[in-house]
Amino acid sequence: GENVEQHPSTLSVQEGDSAVIKCTYSDSASNYFPWYKQELGKRPQLIIDIRSNVGEKKDQRIAVTLNKTAKHFSLHITETQPEDSAVYFCAASSPGGYSTLTFGKGTMLLVSP
Amino acid sequence: DSGVTQTPKHLITATGQRVTLRCSPRSGDLSVYWYQQSLDQGLQFLIQYYNGEERAKGNILERFSAQQFPDLHSELNLSSLELGDSALYFCASKAGYTDTQYFGPGTRLTVL
Repeated sequence: GENVEQHPSTLSVQEGDSAVIKCTYSDSASNYFPWYKQELGKRPQLIIDIRSNVGEKKDQRIAVTLNKTAKHFSLHITETQPEDSAVYFCAASSPGGYSTLTFGKGTMLLVSP
Repeated sequence: DSGVTQTPKHLITATGQRVTLRCSPRSGDLSVYWYQQSLDQGLQFLIQYYNGEERAKGNILERFSAQQFPDLHSELNLSSLELGDSALYFCASKAGYTDTQYFGPGTRLTVL
């Protein structure tokens, strides 16, 4: 089955800096890659996603890049703010239908004022 | 608010007991997914239902079962509970024409 590795497990930045979280996946047939943000004790919330036919997608301060050849994708957050502090999860959609997601183990992002 | 609801919010029970977690998907969504989130295992996919039928199974234990009813709500049944079953259990729903899964607020299960 699909395997998703996520790095780093923790990331501390100063307010205003950029943050980058990287994920690799194992199955070259995976075609959908969402990123979720989860605040403590809350539900995961989708912040951005990308499909395999697109190399990059941007939404205000958040961007995702995908390299299908290398089987990795990254989340970029610019001009970080304290409210960006949370755990971020990447995921890959398992091929074979039904859009089941395999998640990375998460990155705890801490933005210090 | 994602539109996905889960009850109860918290559940405390003893080892060996059986519990039922409930999920109501967003209006119109036919797919329901169940996930378990523990500190050391992250978000693990358990099982998926589509319009009442089981469609995919992940790392779901034999002690766990689920079903989706005609009104599309779903229930996850956990039996012979062990301490290690303590976790957050999320359900998510998805419309048929997209890939996006919307998560409910979760049920925190504590097994003592």
